[in-house]
Order: sequence, then structure tokens, then C-alpha cells
Amino acid sequence: QSVLTQPPSASGTPGQRVTISCSGSSSNIGSNAVSWYQQLPGTAPKLLIYSSNQWPSGVPDRLSGSKSGTSASLAINGLQSEDEADYYCAAWDDSLNGVVFGGGTKLTVL
Amino acid sequence: QVQLVESGGGLVKPGGSLRLSCAASGFTFSDYYMTWIRQAPGKGLEWVSYISSSGRITYYADSVKGRFTISRDNAKKSLYLQMNSLRGEDTAVYYCASGFFEDVVSLDHWGLGTLVTVSS
Repeated sequence: QSVLTQPPSASGTPGQRVTISCSGSSSNIGSNAVSWYQQLPGTAPKLLIYSSNQWPSGVPDRLSGSKSGTSASLAINGLQSEDEADYYCAAWDDSLNGVVFGGGTKLTVL
Repeated sequence: QVQLVESGGGLVKPGGSLRLSCAASGFTFSDYYMTWIRQAPGKGLEWVSYISSSGRITYYADSVKGRFTISRDNAKKSLYLQMNSLRGEDTAVYYCASGFFEDVVSLDHWGLGTLVTVSS
């Protein structure tokens, strides 16, 4: 059971907008920034979003992150086949004194 | 460019020990906090531990506290994870990762990982 809660799956057709949610609590998302990662099969995770809504260099701006209260979300605009991957949210947890991850969302491009 | 290369994984019996290493290059290793993340087969990501740039500050997940020890050698640009009293649930790919200086949540560089299998 992950500390951060994500839907196990999401899907969309090419060109669509898809949103992946991440729900936490006051000790993690409620008081700390959120990062989002993409993991393609057989590869290491890749940082997509940091500080809840910032892009590392090289990440397209059709991806965006937001945070409100104890929840965060990742939005992908103009869905492409190469977006098919697993997505994870992460945050620091003040109660656990550690980094917590969501269970991951498998995104399928139909 | 930044490169992180893990090594030391393998098959070990329950109760056994293993030491993972992560060789860093392409950045000023001694300026950055470093992190170990693991992923059990077919499962999600799990944070294991992090260490400050000087090595004086360390944090561990409850699942490994008292059994795993993180350390670093800045002169050798290397990160380590000593794993003792290994259990079946420790079976996973172990990644080392670095973030933005002291940021341990935003990890922008990862190694390819090393597989640890705990089985009799």
C-alpha cells in the first residue's frame, strides 16, 4: 500500500489530454513539493516535473504539473504513442522522514 | 555528461549480505546528495535511503532501517549501500540517483540499476 495514491491505469487516444492524479496527506503533498517520473519498460525512471510544476530541461511543455491542497496531478496534452509508460508521483513526507512514491499509473495510448 | 553506474548485485541467500556500489562521473559528486531507490519485479518505485553531500546526514526507509547502511567516498566519486540480513522482499532492481544538489525528491539522473535477488 503506497503512501501516495494514484489510479492504477489511465488511457487516451492520440491528441487527447490525459490527467493523472496523486493523492496524499498534510505530511507529504500538503506541505512539500511533488515530483513526477515517467518509466518506459525496462528503463530507469525519468524526471518529468519537479517542484510540483517545473520542467527539467528537455521535457516538452505539453506536460504540466499542478498541486492543490493534498493532491497533485500531471496533465499530458496532445497525447502521443511514445507517452505510453508508467508514471509515478513522489514527495517528501515529514512524518515518515523519507521520500514517498505513488503506486504508479500505467498510461495506455489507444 | 552525468553518468551513474551501479554494480554489486547478484543472488544471495536469505540472511546474507551484499554491498552495492555506484560510480559517478560527469559532475562534482561531492556537491550532491545521493539516493538509492529500488523496484521489486513488476512493482513500483520504493525509496531506500539518501546521504548528504558530506556523508554526515543519512536517512532510511523503515523497511531497511537497521539492516542497510548508505555511505560515500567523495574522493573516489562513489556511493555504496551495505545490505545485511537480506530478506526475500529485498529482491529488486536497485538504482542510485542524484538530484538538484540537496533535493532528494527531484532526481534528474539515474543509473541503469543492479538486480539483487534474495532466494535460497
